[in-house]
Order: sequence, then C-alpha cells, then structure tokens
Amino acid sequence: EVQLVESGGGLVQPGGSLRLSCAASGFTFSDYWMHWVRQAPGKGPVWVSRVSTDGSSTNYADSVKGRFTISRDNAKDTLFLELNSLRVEDTAVYYCSRGLYGYSVGFDNWGQGSLVAVSS
Amino acid sequence: QSALTQPRSVSGSPGQPVTISCSGSSSDVGDHNHVSWYQQHPGKAPKLVIYDVTKRPSGVPDRFSGSKSGNTASLTISGLQAEDEAAYYCCSYAGTYTFVLFGGGTELTVL
Repeated sequence: EVQLVESGGGLVQPGGSLRLSCAASGFTFSDYWMHWVRQAPGKGPVWVSRVSTDGSSTNYADSVKGRFTISRDNAKDTLFLELNSLRVEDTAVYYCSRGLYGYSVGFDNWGQGSLVAVSS
Repeated sequence: QSALTQPRSVSGSPGQPVTISCSGSSSDVGDHNHVSWYQQHPGKAPKLVIYDVTKRPSGVPDRFSGSKSGNTASLTISGLQAEDEAAYYCCSYAGTYTFVLFGGGTELTVL
C-alpha cells in the first residue's frame, strides 16, 4: 500500500522558515516524480513544486519561486520542502503527492497533509 | 493564468446522475488531454477519481466518468450514492511553465 506521511508543519512568524518532510513507502520512490500541493482553508488545491525522479530537475509555482526549495533523498525514500521568507498568504495545508507514472499528468496518491500557519 | 472555473455547488438525488463542469482555455483544458478530477471529503486529502480526461484509477467505481469538449471538461457521476457527497476539483496540465491549474471546487450534495 502506498503511504505518504508529511511532518514538519507548524506556526511560524512572517519571514520565518520551516522544513517539511514526506516519508514514502509501499512503492519504488525513485521511479516517480514527486510534488508538493497546498490548499488554503476553504480554497482549492494549488500546485507548488515538483522534483524529478533523481532530483536533478525542479520546478516551482511563481508564487514560491526563490523562497521554497524542493529536494529528495532516494536512499531514505523521503521528499522535502524548505520554506523560507514565509508570508501570511503561504498559510495552507501542504500535501506531498506522487505524480502519475509515465506521460500522464496528475497526482495519484496524497499524504494526509501538514498545516503551515504563518501569523504574527 | 487563472484557476479553472467550476460551479460552486451541484446536487442530485440518490440514483440520479450529476455532471460537474470545468471551464478552462485553449492553453490548458483545450490544448491537452491531461485533465484529472479529485474527490475530497471534509478534513481528508484529495483522491484521484479520473485522469487523462476519461481514465479511471483502479478501485474507483465505474459510475465516475469523464469527458471533454473544447475548453470544457466534465465529470459525470451516474447513480449517485450518499458517499459521493464531497468537494470535487478539476485539474489540467497548463504547459511546462505553469505545470497544472486546479479549479475552485464544486460541492456535491446528495439530497
């Protein structure tokens, strides 16, 4: 069974930093692109970032470019998201998700989410 | 690019069909066959129910189906059941720069 378990969220002041982790199990982690998707309270999901199977290629939404960094450790089956210069509008539940295999686009498995709250 | 447009809410009676629309543009929904749909119950993570416009992941009931015409994609649930009551979000590939766009979500109420 595929499992994705996020950790590292919490309450942080504007301008602060956090590091989210996502522990993966139940599949060959290194075979899949991995993503972070966030969802603000009462809103739809928003794609944040993705990383290629070997970690050599990354992409970001404009809203987080230059502030967030995605990475992965295939030896430990773990995905990371470093969040810096946090803003109030970054407040959301952050989901780790697995990209669909092959040429399909979408997210076939999601973690339970980790809440990031940015407030003074 | 703006989020995809979905109706805020739809409703239907058990056993009846319901369709949720997702309107995009020629740069996203209209330009690719990479439209996916997600079901989300309160307090839970989204769950994939349709991908590549019409494909159903294993384990998703066949009463869920997808289609697309021009810049609008649709999710149809035939034979509504109580457990289908949830929020539904569409998602479309939007090019290598934007990657994907989500819709604002549709609340489905089973009467």
